[in-house]
Amino acid sequence: TQLLEQSPQFLSIQEGENLTVYCNSSSVFSSLQWYRQEPGEGPVLLVTVVTGGEVKKLKRLTFQFGDARKDSSLHITAAQPGDTGLYLCAAHGYNAGNMLTFGGGTRLMVKP
Amino acid sequence: NAGVTQTPKFRILKIGQSMTLQCTQDMNHNYMYWYRQDPGMGLKLIYYSVGAGITDKGEVPNGYNVSRSTTEDFPLRLELAAPSQTSVYFCASTPGRTSGSLAYNEQFFGPGTRLTVL
Repeated sequence: TQLLEQSPQFLSIQEGENLTVYCNSSSVFSSLQWYRQEPGEGPVLLVTVVTGGEVKKLKRLTFQFGDARKDSSLHITAAQPGDTGLYLCAAHGYNAGNMLTFGGGTRLMVKP
Repeated sequence: NAGVTQTPKFRILKIGQSMTLQCTQDMNHNYMYWYRQDPGMGLKLIYYSVGAGITDKGEVPNGYNVSRSTTEDFPLRLELAAPSQTSVYFCASTPGRTSGSLAYNEQFFGPGTRLTVL
């Protein structure tokens, strides 16, 4: 079983601060996705990274896939209260039948 | 398109009761999934299906059953509810192999069913 560990589990910051969330594994993945989940709703895809070392930007969010395709990070610049939510990383393994393995999530609260 | 719909939104069961969680998608996706999410945790895969008539176990299948008689519907059955099955259940779908590289496939999630077993 592939294991994805996210850190930190919880993060409470003030509006305007920067933060980084990490997603680590000992396994190599074909791709990695980041989802965001708001209370009472299902997760929604933010980004997919496929190539080792790949960096993608989505407004104030920067996503990076590790060179060895075992880890990823999400960096948020100048966090806003609207960024509050549960951030989940999820990985496609090789020969996994398109199944995703999810990390435990990072719960982010941005206070105004 | 409604996307992925789930019913009911909430349900309370007594130990030993049974119920079916309904999931329907109108995007003509081949692949469908059932996950459970315990409080403050990520999602764990219960069962999945790569097309009508084909289902397979995920990480935590014990106590559950599924069927996939049509492309649109993927119901999840709990036969003898136990307190350990108290959780939020999410159904998801993705296009599958007909849409190009699987690595980029986004999973589309329903709004979830919150189940409590007392």
